[in-house]
Amino acid sequence: AQSVTQLDSHVSVSEGTPVLLRCNYSSSYSPSLFWYVQHPNKGLQLLLKYTSAATLVKGINGFEAEFKKSETSFHLTKPSAHMSDAAEYFCVVSGTASKLTFGTGTRLQVTL
Amino acid sequence: DAGVIQSPRHEVTEMGQEVTLRCKPISGHNSLFWYRQTMMRGLELLIYFNNNVPIDDSGMPEDRFSAKMPNASFSTLKIQPSEPRDSAVYFCASSLRTSSGNTIYFGEGSWLTVV
Repeated sequence: AQSVTQLDSHVSVSEGTPVLLRCNYSSSYSPSLFWYVQHPNKGLQLLLKYTSAATLVKGINGFEAEFKKSETSFHLTKPSAHMSDAAEYFCVVSGTASKLTFGTGTRLQVTL
Repeated sequence: DAGVIQSPRHEVTEMGQEVTLRCKPISGHNSLFWYRQTMMRGLELLIYFNNNVPIDDSGMPEDRFSAKMPNASFSTLKIQPSEPRDSAVYFCASSLRTSSGNTIYFGEGSWLTVV
């Protein structure tokens, strides 16, 4: 069985400040982990993925995530938030047979 | 490159009517997924196909829902008859499954409203 827990349903940051979106996972084997972003009225766009290579994964738009097996975490970070980063972010774990298990999402708000 | 293409993007229909949602996966991908997104339940996997064959349809809510994939470049999700509680965003996604894993790419979604 596998699951993901996004620890914050809503995060608000000021433009230019760091972003931290937290995700913990549970998996009975070495997982593949993803972060997807969904802007309002849009589909889900892949930000980055971890597949047991480097533990620090760099994605698009300046985002990165670090896989920490000891903490079962895969937190998403960005050094400096931009207004265009305001969206819903989903942490996702991939299990057997290509099935994805989604977290409940974190809504990121960026203020001036 | 063209991504996953879904149609229609928006549909409003009356209760009892048949709804057909269409999806064209990314060329070369061998897996296709249908997801439903609602405020109450988040993202749910309805069904997925591998090499055009349905592998797991345990997420299909009831017999009113059916999905087909007649070839590698086309899939449909049909609801007959539709009900107001079917109102949701339906996403199609595709991936290329290899020995090193897979990455799933989503379409823009079909926004369905049943009145």
